[in-house]
Amino acid sequence: DTGVSQNPRHKITKRGQNVTFRCDPISEHNRLYWYRQTLGQGPEFLTYFQNEAQLEKSRLLSDRFSAERPKGSFSTLEIQRTEQGDSAMYLCASTRGSEVWSTDTQYFGPGTRLTVL
Amino acid sequence: KNEVEQSPQNLTAQEGEFITINCSYSVGISALHWLQQHPGGGIVSLFMLSSGKKKHGRLIATINIQEKHSSLHITASHPRDSAVYICAVRKRPTDKLIFGTGTRLQVFP
Repeated sequence: DTGVSQNPRHKITKRGQNVTFRCDPISEHNRLYWYRQTLGQGPEFLTYFQNEAQLEKSRLLSDRFSAERPKGSFSTLEIQRTEQGDSAMYLCASTRGSEVWSTDTQYFGPGTRLTVL
Repeated sequence: KNEVEQSPQNLTAQEGEFITINCSYSVGISALHWLQQHPGGGIVSLFMLSSGKKKHGRLIATINIQEKHSSLHITASHPRDSAVYICAVRKRPTDKLIFGTGTRLQVFP
């Protein structure tokens, strides 16, 4: 257990439905990252928060995806109108860093596996 | 071309063998991570390197910044080392990770 939790661990949904995932980082970590991993591939960066500010979004994050981190604590990732191509493992990671850089490692949650039927 | 390349993609070994996994990258980085992922998805950070060499138990990681290359070595491999090993580089300014595709290691008794 790394101290980063994600819920739910598994989600099965039908195409067109909306889903929301939650990540609870390690409490003193100000940086939070979302990644997506499809079968047989390495994870890919989706988005990054420093405290409550979303500072970078990947081009992979279409308009159907939205992420929030209210109050700089937990974060949610919502996918609207899910498509079969959204099926993947969604990973959250957190770390501690200054405004300029981080010297700490990233701690990963167990992931949420999404299956879109 | 991927910014992070790993080799080999798959590796099988007999228990006790010395194992090397290689990682090359093509971008400027602030650090490099070696990660371990077991079936079911959980990712654990093994090492974070910005120069030189680190050792933890039977695992050794090295990095050559000039050549943009890193290696992960496992000495006296054991079946419990079976996992996917992923190399990832940190890019400034957000320190987001760019991942390789991973090396699937299977160690047989």
